[in-house]
Amino acid sequence: AQKVTQAQTEISVVEKEDVTLDCVYETRDTTYYLFWYKQPPSGELVFLIRRNSFDEQNEISGRYSWNFQKSTSSFNFTITASQVVDSAVYFCAPYQGGSEKLVFGKGTKLTVNP
Amino acid sequence: GAGVSQSPRYKVAKRGQDVALRCDPISGHVSLFWYQQALGQGPEFLTYFQNEAQLDKSGLPSDRFFAERPEGSVSTLKIQRTQQEDSAVYLCASSRDRWKETQYFGPGTRLLVL
Repeated sequence: AQKVTQAQTEISVVEKEDVTLDCVYETRDTTYYLFWYKQPPSGELVFLIRRNSFDEQNEISGRYSWNFQKSTSSFNFTITASQVVDSAVYFCAPYQGGSEKLVFGKGTKLTVNP
Repeated sequence: GAGVSQSPRYKVAKRGQDVALRCDPISGHVSLFWYQQALGQGPEFLTYFQNEAQLDKSGLPSDRFFAERPEGSVSTLKIQRTQQEDSAVYLCASSRDRWKETQYFGPGTRLLVL
């Protein structure tokens, strides 16, 4: 069975600090897809990134970067020079093997203080 | 449309009342998903449609929950004889096609059962 773990429940940083959110995905599947979503206080889930298991290249998009390591089953997300607007709950979510359903972790609540 | 829309945004129901929640997916999106998000938790899968066919309803918590998408576009999630434990945010998502595509979420309907 698949298991997604976001061990950090809450993180609090001061604006302009870098912050890394951890996600560990355990599966026996050789092919899988992973997503990160952001849920600000308004409640809407905002798509951030989609990666598959056969592409381990790190990706950078502005202040966001993702580090995917298949060997450790980790898909970590780093925000560089955090801003107050980054305050939200961040979810890591793989597709459950053999289905079209996303399985969400418990989320990490990030608070960026001015 | 520009994004997934849901209505109503908020619904207060008395225990035992029936409710209907509507989802308008992104135009042209083949797949549509419903998730339930309890307070402080990640979203949990309820059901999935490909066009008008309901291909997976394994997440529906009881036979009081019913979803339909008769013409392959708009979907309705109906909850009969609501109970207090049904209080949650109900999220709808759509994706362009099947097979592990990115799911784009609507703003959700917050249901409170008194």
